[in-house]
Amino acid sequence: GAVVSQHPSRVICKSGTSVKIECRSLDFQATTMFWYRQFPKQSLMLMATSNEGSKATYEQGVEKDKFLINHASLTLSTLTVTSAHPEDSSFYICSAATGDYEQYFGPGTRLTVT
Amino acid sequence: GNSVTQMEGPVTLSEEAFLTINCTYTATGYPSLFWYVQYPGEGLQLLLKATKADDKGSNKGFEATYRKETTSFHLEKGSVQVSDSAVYFCALTDVETSYDKVIFGPGTSLSVIP
Repeated sequence: GAVVSQHPSRVICKSGTSVKIECRSLDFQATTMFWYRQFPKQSLMLMATSNEGSKATYEQGVEKDKFLINHASLTLSTLTVTSAHPEDSSFYICSAATGDYEQYFGPGTRLTVT
Repeated sequence: GNSVTQMEGPVTLSEEAFLTINCTYTATGYPSLFWYVQYPGEGLQLLLKATKADDKGSNKGFEATYRKETTSFHLEKGSVQVSDSAVYFCALTDVETSYDKVIFGPGTSLSVIP
């Protein structure tokens, strides 16, 4: 089956620093990747949609300058949280679409900003 | 707009009890419907799906039937196990309005006690 990985699985950083999270589709090419944020005991909130080689489309209320998304290849998308603050602490999940209207989710990255 | 509503949790059941988690949806087109499961500290896994009316998705003893007349996709399992303890998300994708975009319900937490 389609496998999506994320790295790192957990990261702790200091306030003001930037953190990069990678999302990879391991055995398929993903034309579209998605980034979600999940707060404790809540559902997933779509942050942005990225297509390979083009700019990401951000959902309303998501700061594009704070959450930089790069989709450089059909198997890799990165999310960089710039100048992180404690309120950015969250569980970030990516997913990849194969074009058959189904998404495959990564295992998530737990970000803690101190 | 498209939306998904789930029964509120948390749901606590004894092992071998019957499980039903209600899910209803609102969509302007002809959505595909999904159930995802999230185990503690992990990402989402697709549990089952149905792409058209009257389809029944099934996996690991779980079942859900796409009911267009009642706009529902209730999740059922005849005999739950402790290992089924997780959060369950009902979701839809509606190709006509939001290509590839997944709309999640709020999630229902299930705890199964021995």
